[in-house]
Amino acid sequence: EDKVVQSPLSLVVHEGDTVTLNCSYEVTNFRSLLWYKQEKKAPTFLFMLTSSGIEKKSGRLSSILDKKELFSILNITATQTGDSAIYLCAVEAITAGNKLTFGGGTRVLVKP
Amino acid sequence: DTGVSQNPRHKITKRGQNVTFRCDPISEHNRLYWYRQTLGQGPEFLTYFQNEAQLEKSRLLSDRFSAERPKGSFSTLEIQRTEQGDSAMYLCASSFFQGLINNRLKLNYGYTFGSGTRLTVV
Repeated sequence: EDKVVQSPLSLVVHEGDTVTLNCSYEVTNFRSLLWYKQEKKAPTFLFMLTSSGIEKKSGRLSSILDKKELFSILNITATQTGDSAIYLCAVEAITAGNKLTFGGGTRVLVKP
Repeated sequence: DTGVSQNPRHKITKRGQNVTFRCDPISEHNRLYWYRQTLGQGPEFLTYFQNEAQLEKSRLLSDRFSAERPKGSFSTLEIQRTEQGDSAMYLCASSFFQGLINNRLKLNYGYTFGSGTRLTVV
C-alpha cells in the first residue's frame, strides 16, 4: 500500500524565518510527487516533481525530489503571515487512475 | 471556465438521513476524483471516473456510498443512512488524462481540486 509521511506535524515560526518541510514516501509505480497548500478550502497546487535533483522554484518557495532516498523537501524562505497553512505532500502512481496518496500534512503558523 | 465547482459548500444533516453532493469538473477534463478529508488528516481517495465509467473504488467507500457520473460531465456522491463518522470534507478533483483535444494529442495535465463540501452529521 502506498504511503506518505510528512514531518514535522506542525511548526510555529516568525516572519522572515525559513522553514523546511519533509515528505517521505513509499509507492509502487511512482509517477510524480506533488506539493499543495491548503488554507481553509481546497488544496491549491504548488509543485509537481518527477525527476531527482532538479529544484523547482516559485518565488520564495522551492522544492526538490530525491527518488533514490524516496523523499522531498519544501522550503519557504522569508516567511510571511500569509504562508500560514497546511502543506500537503502527495504521490501519484502510474497505475490506473493516477490517484493521489496524501500525507497527513504539516501545519505552519507564521507569527508577525 | 471557473475551475472545479462543488455544491453545497456546507451540509448539516441528522444521523440516518441521506445526502447528495454535486461536483462540476473543468469542462475539458475527462477524469473526476472524489476524496474525503477528516480534521487533521490529508485527503483520502474514494473513487474516480474516466468519462462516465467508474474505474476504481477505495475500500473506504462502504455500501452506503455511491457515486455517479451519468454523462461524463458532472458527478454526484450520495451517502445513505449517514453516520457521525461520515462527517468530513468531501473534495472533488478533475484532470485530463491523455487523449485528443481539438484533434491534437494531449498528455496528462491539470489535477485541480474544488473547494469541497463540508458534511456535519449530528
